[in-house]
Amino acid sequence: AQKVTQAQTEISVVEKEDVTLDCVYETRDTTYYLFWYKQPPSGELVFLIRRNSFDEQNEISGRYSWNFQKSTSSFNFTITASQVVDSAVYFCALSQISSGSARQLTFGSGTQLTVLP
Amino acid sequence: DSGVTQTPKHLITATGQRVTLRCSPRSGDLSVYWYQQSLDQGLQFLIQYYNGEERAKGNILERFSAQQFPDLHSELNLSSLELGDSALYFCASSPSEYTEAFFGQGTRLTVV
Repeated sequence: AQKVTQAQTEISVVEKEDVTLDCVYETRDTTYYLFWYKQPPSGELVFLIRRNSFDEQNEISGRYSWNFQKSTSSFNFTITASQVVDSAVYFCALSQISSGSARQLTFGSGTQLTVLP
Repeated sequence: DSGVTQTPKHLITATGQRVTLRCSPRSGDLSVYWYQQSLDQGLQFLIQYYNGEERAKGNILERFSAQQFPDLHSELNLSSLELGDSALYFCASSPSEYTEAFFGQGTRLTVV
């Protein structure tokens, strides 16, 4: 069985601070995908990133960066110089890659990020 | 805008009733997924279709059913509704089963 844990239920920071959202996962598969999605107050789920389990390179996209460490089963997300518009619920998710298995996403419980002006 | 269209955006109905939620995937996407988001259960996978065929079932109740039509749009049917079925229902689509899924804006269902 797969499981994704986001231990931080709520985080509050002041604008321009850096913030890291933690994600720890469990899976018996050797190959899998990891994702981050953002859910702003308007409610839609916005795709941010997909990472393959065999690619441990960190990734940076503007103010966003992701640190994938297979050894600790973690896929953490850092927002640099946070802005009020970053306020949202952020979800980490996991899916299998192996053939014959369903590709549905297993989501964590989400982290509510509030960025104060 | 993800390109996935869900209708209606809001739905209020009474217990015991039946409703149909509709999803139009992104152009060219063959895979459609349905998820339920509730306060107590979080985001839960319900069912997946790929090019018209059911591929996987998650925590979908027997009172719920879905289908994907030849034009690739999908419908989720919820019957004998209970108060506990009140939730945000998301549809997502992807070009294949090996790429990221893009979500619609959701249908907020309120059962009274």
